[in-house]
Amino acid sequence: GAVVSQHPSRVICKSGTSVKIECRSLDFQATTMFWYRQFPKQSLMLMATSNEGSKATYEQGVEKDKFLINHASLTLSTLTVTSAHPEDSSFYICSARSGGVLETQYFGPGTRLLVL
Amino acid sequence: GQNIDQPTEMTATEGAIVQINCTYQTSGFNGLFWYQQHAGEAPTFLSYNVLDGLEEKGRFSSFLSRSKGYSYLLLKELQMKDSASYLCATMDSNYQLIWGAGTKLIIKP
Repeated sequence: GAVVSQHPSRVICKSGTSVKIECRSLDFQATTMFWYRQFPKQSLMLMATSNEGSKATYEQGVEKDKFLINHASLTLSTLTVTSAHPEDSSFYICSARSGGVLETQYFGPGTRLLVL
Repeated sequence: GQNIDQPTEMTATEGAIVQINCTYQTSGFNGLFWYQQHAGEAPTFLSYNVLDGLEEKGRFSSFLSRSKGYSYLLLKELQMKDSASYLCATMDSNYQLIWGAGTKLIIKP
């Protein structure tokens, strides 16, 4: 199956700092990448959808100036949490899709963010 | 509104069979996915149903009834490694995935 990597897997940072998370599709070209957030024992929450070379589409309630998404190439998307606060502590997961909307999404291993 | 319901938690015995149900109400329907998620890890794809009926894939099978807004995931010959959360997700008319909260499956020896 398709492989998606994420880096870093875990990050601890101080409140007010920015954190960048990378998502890479290793063996396929991802026309669309998705960023999710998951709090403990809760469902996946879609934050934004990004297509290569265009601006991300953010879900309602997600601040685009706080969660900066860049999808610069067909194999890389980055999520930057700017001025992180403790309430941003969560499990951030990216997924990637190679083709049309009915193609399966393949998930990265996730990044656990802890903001002190 | 859009809603997906699945049981919060289920317990089963190693070697047995378990059926995890999912009911949904979504605006439009473009298929239903099942994903497996082990604790602290990202989801992995299990199955996709868009037509009514049963899809079998090894020890796992997934069933869909569009008229009833109902799906189930059937796991046979349960193994300890099957202990995980199982997420049901539907794709709506905008081709967006709507996720259920997941069913935590506990396997006992």
